[in-house]
Amino acid sequence: QKEVEQNSGPLSVPEGAIASLNCTYSDRVSQSFFWYRQYSGKSPELIMSIYSNGDKEDGRFTAQLNKASQYVSLLIRDSQPSDSATYLCAVNRDSNYQLIWGAGTKLIIKP
Amino acid sequence: GAGVSQTPSNKVTEKGKYVELRCDPISGHTALYWYRQSLGQGPEFLIYFQGTGAADDSGLPNDRFFAVRPEGSVSTLKIQRTERGDSAVYLCASSPTGLAGLGETQYFGPGTRLLVL
Repeated sequence: QKEVEQNSGPLSVPEGAIASLNCTYSDRVSQSFFWYRQYSGKSPELIMSIYSNGDKEDGRFTAQLNKASQYVSLLIRDSQPSDSATYLCAVNRDSNYQLIWGAGTKLIIKP
Repeated sequence: GAGVSQTPSNKVTEKGKYVELRCDPISGHTALYWYRQSLGQGPEFLIYFQGTGAADDSGLPNDRFFAVRPEGSVSTLKIQRTERGDSAVYLCASSPTGLAGLGETQYFGPGTRLLVL
């Protein structure tokens, strides 16, 4: 079992709809969870971080964390074609500095 | 510069050759990370520097890979006797103090695309 798992996709969503991206992780002691966006041929950029169970909202983005189920998700409301990218989930390991990364979910927003 | 820079942006080499990849982090960031990313995969941790020292090099695949950061700023990743399997994008990231696991943002460079023929 991989430490951080994501559905590779592609996930195709109509413009204006809600895109839901999911991530599961195996290390129960993980405390910090991150969503990065990576456009094709570009480097990852941080979208959101979440540390506590529940929801965290930032504009059109909502991160959801459920530590009991070892599950973190990212919702994108009012999806735009510019949201088309690969979304990487990252989780801290048993250190303050190291992140473990999922393989990413490719999201396609259809106009 | 304002962000992390990496040179070269692309590198094509022949199997068995030696290559050096350079990373210039954000000024003042003490933490520097090297990752390798293959197509369709997430970044794979290689090495973490805190200042001048390699605090964790557990991700380096084998002894052909080595990295330095002699003055605590610019870092060089060195690959000896390159193999075709080394072909990937090599990403460098920096953060202010190294607390990426506690929420500190890692800022990524544009990457070096290495192709070993």
